[in-house]
Amino acid sequence: GAGVSQSPRYKVAKRGQDVALRCDPISGHVSLFWYQQALGQGPEFLTYFQNEAQLDKSGLPSDRFFAERPEGSVSTLKIQRTQQEDSAVYLCASSLGASGGIGVYEQYFGPGTRLTVT
Amino acid sequence: QKEVEQNSGPLSVPEGAIASLNCTYSDRGSQSFFWYRQYSGKSPELIMSIYSNGDKEDGRFTAQLNKASQYVSLLIRDSQPSDSATYLCAVYTGANSKLTFGKGITLSVRP
Repeated sequence: GAGVSQSPRYKVAKRGQDVALRCDPISGHVSLFWYQQALGQGPEFLTYFQNEAQLDKSGLPSDRFFAERPEGSVSTLKIQRTQQEDSAVYLCASSLGASGGIGVYEQYFGPGTRLTVT
Repeated sequence: QKEVEQNSGPLSVPEGAIASLNCTYSDRGSQSFFWYRQYSGKSPELIMSIYSNGDKEDGRFTAQLNKASQYVSLLIRDSQPSDSATYLCAVYTGANSKLTFGKGITLSVRP
C-alpha cells in the first residue's frame, strides 16, 4: 500500500513568515510522529499523536511550533514567524501503535519536507 | 552523555567485506531497537528491528543485541556499493513512544 506522504517536499520561507507542513500517514496507523533532522544529525523528536490526541509535545523547540491531527489521520505542523534556525528537514513517521505484539512500534518515515528560511 | 551513541565513523570497507556498525544506549529500560538506512538526500528507511537479546538475521543483515552491556550492532555481510549510506541506530523506551536516534554512521563500500 501507499507509504507516508508529506507535502510540500521543499519550502523556502522568508524570515518571519508562517509555514504549514502536511503529513498523510499510512492508512490504519494510529500513531504519528514529527521529527526534525539537521544536517549530519539523527532525527530529533518533536511531537507524537495517538489518533487525534497529542500525547507528547515535549520536543517542540518553542511556542512558535504547533501541530494538529484533528481527525486522527492527516497531520499539520505549523511554524509561525520562521527563524533561520528553523531550517531543517521535517520528517513525519507513522506506526500501527496498538498495544501489544511485535512490530507495532516500528515507525515508517515519509520523504520529509526540507525547509529553508532565508 | 547522549542517550544513543554511535561514535565510530565514517567507515570504509571494500566490496564483499563485512561491515560492523555499533551503537550503545543509556536507558536500561529500553525495549526495542531499530536500524535505519538513510541515503543522501532521502529519508530514513527501516531495515532491521530487534527486541530480545541475541542475533537476528535478515538476508545479508544481522542485528545483535546485548541488553546487559546496553549495546546493539548491525553486521552487513558481502557489502555492496549500494550499501553506502548513513546508518541510524534508534531506541524505543516505551515511555512516550518516541524513538531516540544516534547521529548515524556513514558507511562507504569501495568497489
